Amino acid sequence: ETGVTQSPTHLIKTRGQQVTLRCSSQSGHNTVSWYQQALGQGPQFIFQYYREEENGRGNFPPRFSGLQFPNYSSELNVNALELDDSALYLCASSLARSSGNTIYFGEGSWLTVV
Amino acid sequence: EDQVTQSPEALRLQEGESSSLNCSYTVSGLRGLFWYRQDPGKGPEFLFTLYSAGEEKEKERLKATLTKKESFLHITAPKPEDSATYLCAVQPPGGNMLTFGGGTRLMVKP
Repeated sequence: ETGVTQSPTHLIKTRGQQVTLRCSSQSGHNTVSWYQQALGQGPQFIFQYYREEENGRGNFPPRFSGLQFPNYSSELNVNALELDDSALYLCASSLARSSGNTIYFGEGSWLTVV
Repeated sequence: EDQVTQSPEALRLQEGESSSLNCSYTVSGLRGLFWYRQDPGKGPEFLFTLYSAGEEKEKERLKATLTKKESFLHITAPKPEDSATYLCAVQPPGGNMLTFGGGTRLMVKP
């Protein structure tokens, strides 16, 4: 049990629609990152939030956006969904600049775009 | 750009047959190298973080080692419940984002 919870676990959307995924980080963890994992591949970094500010972004278009709230929970928003957006979306939490560095993942949200 | 390559892509072992998984990396700087286990349909489960060449960490039947160019995950006398995908990832200095390899799918037959 990592203490990182994500919702919803599964959802189906139509191409062109918008989706919001949610993540509650482990207690005390102030940094949240989002990853996209296509079937059979390793996770790819989307972006990271620290103290409610975006603090690093991978190679994803602007229609992928996010928020972090004062309690460190986070949302991932994807606009204008495309079929290739179908994937497992993972949230990870950690402590920034921690010497005992551990990054924990949630169970993910499965998104299917039809 | 950081790159991580894992080999083999898939590995079939008999129960009790020890082996090693490889993670080769190219980075401009390394804060940590992570190993995760991922079961089908689940999120990655944290196993180890290694920070410097020569470091080793163990957990049950797993031992992870690190050199300046690669890491190995040694599995001693595996059991069917060790079947999973094992992911390796590198973390740059000053950041918490991870660059993952494609994973090694391990199948252990009884």
